[in-house]
Amino acid sequence: DQQVKQNSPSLSVQEGRISILNCDYTNSMFDYFLWYKKYPAEGPTFLISISSIKDKNEDGRFTVFLNKSAKHLSLHIVPSQPGDSAVYFCAASASGNTPLVFGKGTRLSVIA
Amino acid sequence: GAGVSQSPRYKVAKRGQDVALRCDPISGHVSLFWYQQALGQGPEFLTYFQNEAQLDKSGLPSDRFFAERPEGSVSTLKIQRTQQEDSAVYLCASSLTGNEQYFGPGTRLTVT
Repeated sequence: DQQVKQNSPSLSVQEGRISILNCDYTNSMFDYFLWYKKYPAEGPTFLISISSIKDKNEDGRFTVFLNKSAKHLSLHIVPSQPGDSAVYFCAASASGNTPLVFGKGTRLSVIA
Repeated sequence: GAGVSQSPRYKVAKRGQDVALRCDPISGHVSLFWYQQALGQGPEFLTYFQNEAQLDKSGLPSDRFFAERPEGSVSTLKIQRTQQEDSAVYLCASSLTGNEQYFGPGTRLTVT
């Protein structure tokens, strides 16, 4: 059973619009959440993270929202740019120095 | 600064051969993780080191898989008697704080 789920395998967005990527989790022990971006033939690149004591974290065009009661988080990218086209992975961990549990990823295509 | 590096980037092995995959973490990062990523999936945890101590190897799929980090820096993942189901991308990640993990480019292993 998947503890971290990304239910949308793909998403297509026009350049300049908002991209919203969603992630659900089932393990209530998770207290740290991360988003990674992956280009083909490269390793995942860390984008942004959020601790369970917060409900929002912002870094430039990227904002992550956490809804603990719903066990749901989302990544907002605004405005979307063609260079944002990649696979985005949601990951979760239960306190520091523990393995990350990943979703299957969502492929984002930003169309010019 | 230098990120996580992995070698080789690509490895083709005949079924039954032994392989060794190397990871050079970011200098000063005490935590090191190995993950396996199958096609179309997110990375899955294999094993974790803190300095030279292997604290968790619960994700290693069989006793053919062995990892070491003898001096608390470079790590090697060894797979003995490779099987076709071992074909995957093997990712190494290092961490300073234990929360954000920084990934290398991965080694793509193909077993023929």
